Amino acid sequence: DAGVIQSPRHEVTEMGQEVTLRCKPISGHNSLFWYRQTMMRGLELLIYFNNNVPIDDSGMPEDRFSAKMPNASFSTLKIQPSEPRDSAVYFCASSLSGYGYTFGSGTRLTVV
Amino acid sequence: KQEVTQIPAALSVPEGENLVLNCSFTDNAIYNLQWFRQDPGKGLTSLLLIQSSQREQTSGRLNASLDKSSGRSTLYIAASQPGDSATYLCAVLYQGAQKLVFGQGTRLTINP
Repeated sequence: DAGVIQSPRHEVTEMGQEVTLRCKPISGHNSLFWYRQTMMRGLELLIYFNNNVPIDDSGMPEDRFSAKMPNASFSTLKIQPSEPRDSAVYFCASSLSGYGYTFGSGTRLTVV
Repeated sequence: KQEVTQIPAALSVPEGENLVLNCSFTDNAIYNLQWFRQDPGKGLTSLLLIQSSQREQTSGRLNASLDKSSGRSTLYIAASQPGDSATYLCAVLYQGAQKLVFGQGTRLTINP
């Protein structure tokens, strides 16, 4: 398995633009998690899905953030409109019923 | 409140030393505990996963132990090398939960 695949690896965008981050979990995993990491706040859980259904989105900072998982092999995290304070590294992780998490390489987002 | 604590926040040792990283958790009703490594600008790499019923796991020069009664886990690194320099994160999946609780990490530097 190629692991959890995230794209793009780097994204630079202007304030106010829409940003879409993508994630392909490990085949067969039934849980998917979106995290954000910054120097100031460390690793924060934004939202997670179980069997493609959003379970807990209490970590999503604002209505500008939304996430979808249309099928078991794909998820997106969208920010619209983006702001400079959204600059961070966004990680996707997947798990099979909690038996160990596997993280993707992350997307480094810079909003200027 | 279910919390995970890692002390110290940073550790610097000379090459070749054996060392121990500590992780403590506040609730011993855990499902499993996972140790990760994160290199600067990179994603999280899983090192070892210990199930609740296990006492330790080993991989190469790494050994992780789990003591639920005392709420502690340790990561032992034998014969440390400069390539071991990274941030090490401990994460707990509590019983009945679906999301990991992370410690703040220990930043390890191995000096040649």
